[in-house]
Amino acid sequence: SQQGEEDPQALSIQEGENATMNCSYKTSINNLQWYRQNSGRGLVHLILIRSNEREKHSGRLRVTLDTSKKSSSLLITASRAADTASYFCATVSNSGYSTLTFGKGTMLLVSP
Amino acid sequence: KAGVTQTPRYLIKTRGQQVTLSCSPISGHRSVSWYQQTPGQGLQFLFEYFSETQRNKGNFPGRFSGRQFSNSRSEMNVSTLELGDSALYLCASSPGQGFLSTEAFFGQGTRLTVV
Repeated sequence: SQQGEEDPQALSIQEGENATMNCSYKTSINNLQWYRQNSGRGLVHLILIRSNEREKHSGRLRVTLDTSKKSSSLLITASRAADTASYFCATVSNSGYSTLTFGKGTMLLVSP
Repeated sequence: KAGVTQTPRYLIKTRGQQVTLSCSPISGHRSVSWYQQTPGQGLQFLFEYFSETQRNKGNFPGRFSGRQFSNSRSEMNVSTLELGDSALYLCASSPGQGFLSTEAFFGQGTRLTVV
């Protein structure tokens, strides 16, 4: 079952613009992870943010986590055509088995 | 270091047949998880194996099964295939159990089409 829900489902922007994707989840988490998937291929890990962290950066990526609102956002700055992909958030619960539970993803299209 | 390898990349099977998919994790990784990805249901957890033991299983019928070998390679089997089993099957490996402190390393997936 899906834990995270990404918003928007699809996003279309021009190269150079920033892209923001949001993720909401329902239960208490240990960490939240963001992944990228190019069309029909495997997922690539982007960032892991722990429940006691509020913000993390990696290159052009910035992830925030608000555990009180059970939400996270992924910001990609100065987007490039190569950023075109689907982006998924995945949560790891604090209880039970520590498997990844994915949202349905945001499809990002960056036009040259 | 070689990544996660899944074979075959593409499969076409007929309803009622069975299929076996293979996953070789990154060297040194002892945990393998399997996911099914479909347009309608998204990414759904199938099962996780650690040191040859199934740790956790998702909400899938008994037609879906798996195993892990002593070298950490894993196979999943789907018997009596149905049209709805058409999906991208993804395998992910990690050094230890679960993902409390680590990310998942995914293979390129096996695209299964049931006709």
